[in-house]
Amino acid sequence: AQTVTQSQPEMSVQEAETVTLSCTYDTSESDYYLFWYKQPPSRQMILVIRQEAYKQQNATENRFSVNFQKAAKSFSLKISDSQLGDAAMYFCPPPNTDKLIFGTGTRLQVFP
Amino acid sequence: NAGVTQTPKFQVLKTGQSMTLQCAQDMNHEYMSWYRQDPGMGLRLIHYSVGAGITDQGEVPNGYNVSRSTTEDFPLRLLSAAPSQTSVYFCASSYSGDRTNEKLFFGSGTQLSVL
Repeated sequence: AQTVTQSQPEMSVQEAETVTLSCTYDTSESDYYLFWYKQPPSRQMILVIRQEAYKQQNATENRFSVNFQKAAKSFSLKISDSQLGDAAMYFCPPPNTDKLIFGTGTRLQVFP
Repeated sequence: NAGVTQTPKFQVLKTGQSMTLQCAQDMNHEYMSWYRQDPGMGLRLIHYSVGAGITDQGEVPNGYNVSRSTTEDFPLRLLSAAPSQTSVYFCASSYSGDRTNEKLFFGSGTQLSVL
């Protein structure tokens, strides 16, 4: 079964600093996609970033970037210049699952 | 283009009552799904559909029914509500049945309390 581990239930960061959220996964596939989703206090789940496994270049979206290490099956999310609005739950669902499942996520707190 | 619309946003039921949570999307998405979110449990998949007329069970299907008669709508039915079904419910959709490589669009959630 495809699984994912977000080993940090909670993280905190000072405003304007950088924080990295970790995600490791398990898959037997060679071609797949990875995602980070964000759920702020408003509850609305939104996509942060997507990575295609066959692409060696790490995906970036403004202040958000990933460190994708395919051999290690690691997919961490780096948030640069953290803002108060980045405070949220972050989810990294496992790849290639017929039933797309979200785990318990990582809660990020941002302090002014 | 409204995206994924869930109604109602809040609902209080008594044990044994029935109700339907509505989910509609206007993006012509093939894949739709229902999740419930409980404190400390993340999001758990209840049911999903890869197209009109096709539904399948997720992790926690017991106590819930779904149908997909149109591409746009995917209602979730609670036939006899129980306090254990108190949760926040999310509907999500994506463009094709190959949801493993596509972005999921989420509704804003329904807070359900069963007394």
